Amino acid sequence: EAGVVQSPRYKIIEKKQPVAFWCNPISGHNTLYWYLQNLGQGPELLIRYENEEAVDDSQLPKDRFSAERLKGVDSTLKIQPAELGDSAVYLCASSLGTSGRYDTQYFGPGTRLTVL
Amino acid sequence: GQQLNQSPQSMFIQEGEDVSMNCTSSSIFNTWLWYKQEPGEGPVLLIALYKAGELTSNGRLTAQFGITRKDSFLNISASIPSDVGIYFCAGGGSNYKLTFGKGTLLTVNP
Repeated sequence: EAGVVQSPRYKIIEKKQPVAFWCNPISGHNTLYWYLQNLGQGPELLIRYENEEAVDDSQLPKDRFSAERLKGVDSTLKIQPAELGDSAVYLCASSLGTSGRYDTQYFGPGTRLTVL
Repeated sequence: GQQLNQSPQSMFIQEGEDVSMNCTSSSIFNTWLWYKQEPGEGPVLLIALYKAGELTSNGRLTAQFGITRKDSFLNISASIPSDVGIYFCAGGGSNYKLTFGKGTLLTVNP
C-alpha cells in the first residue's frame, strides 16, 4: 500500500514569490493534516481536513497561507508571498478519521522549503 | 498554548546500551504518542498510549503514560545502530489535536 505522497520534496524560491505544495493521502483516509516543522522543533499543525471540510485552521496564517482539498482526496497548501521565515519542512499526514478517538496519523516525507 | 518539555535534547550512546527519554507537560493530555523521525522522512508512530498508568511495549521499546497524565517516558533496550534518529513525544488533547515535543536526537556508536 502506498504511503502519503508529497511533492515536490525540495523547493528553493526567492522571497515574495508564491509556492505550492501537493499531498496525496493514503487511499481511504478521510482526514488530512498539514504540519509545519522548523529546524530542531516538532511538527506544528497548520490545518486539518475531514473530507473536504477544514475543521481546524486556527493555526494557519491566513494572510499568506491557503489550503484546499476540493474533492476530499488530495490537497494543496499555498504560500503567497513567501517570507524568509517560511523556510521549513511542510509535512502532510493522513488518518482514517475514526470519530471519537485518536487514529494513527501517517506522515509523508515532507517538502523542504528554502526561501532566499 | 500547551507546551511539552522533552529531555534530553540529545544522547550519544554505545551500541547495546539502554536509553531513556521523557516528556512532561503543564497540561493534562488524553493520549501520549511516541514517534521516530529519520533524516528526510516524516515521523513514524512507535507507540500510542491511551490510559493513565498504561505501560506498553513494542519490541525493544517500552513507553508509559504517567499517572498524572502530564508525563510519559520511552525506554529503548539494547540499542542498535538503526535506532539512530529523532524521537518525538506528542500529547493529544480533548480536541484530538497533537502537541509535539522538540525531540531527542539519538546517536548510537557501533
